[in-house]
Amino acid sequence: SQQGEEDPQALSIQEGENATMNCSYKTSINNLQWYRQNSGRGLVHLILIRSNEREKHSGRLRVTLDTSKKSSSLLITASRAADTASYFCATQPFGNEKLTFGTGTRLTIIP
Amino acid sequence: KAGVTQTPRYLIKTRGQQVTLSCSPISGHRSVSWYQQTPGQGLQFLFEYFSETQRNKGNFPGRFSGRQFSNSRSEMNVSTLELGDSALYLCASSLEGPRYGYTFGSGTRLTVV
Repeated sequence: SQQGEEDPQALSIQEGENATMNCSYKTSINNLQWYRQNSGRGLVHLILIRSNEREKHSGRLRVTLDTSKKSSSLLITASRAADTASYFCATQPFGNEKLTFGTGTRLTIIP
Repeated sequence: KAGVTQTPRYLIKTRGQQVTLSCSPISGHRSVSWYQQTPGQGLQFLFEYFSETQRNKGNFPGRFSGRQFSNSRSEMNVSTLELGDSALYLCASSLEGPRYGYTFGSGTRLTVV
């Protein structure tokens, strides 16, 4: 079963524009993580935000977390063709070592 | 340092057969999780092992099993294969669990015919 739902399911933007994707989840969490997957390969860990944090940055990535709304967003600034991939949010509940993934957003950057 | 290694990379099996997939985590990582990825169901959690003990199990039938060895290497086994078991099987490792984020392998693409 999916804990998180990403929105939109697919997103196409021009190179250089910013891309925003959202994740909603259902239960209380210990942390939320974002991963990238290129063409059916393994996932790459991008960023982790804990439940007591509201915002985190890593290079061109900015993640926000709103635990009252059970939602998170991932912003990629100044997009590049190499950012074309699927992006997944994943949540870990308190007291549980199970990481559950959302449905993913397919991002296409148009050169 | 070496990443997470999954073998084999591709596999074709016939319905009814069984299959064993292997995962070697990053050196020093004691937590290994397995996921099944399909276009229809997305990423589904199979199980998580830590220091040779299964800590969590997903909602898969008993045909899916796994184990972890003392060197943290892990295997998963699927018996009596069905067409619906065709998927990308991903292994991920971490020092102590997903609270620190996972490093994934490239996966094993299993096709059941």
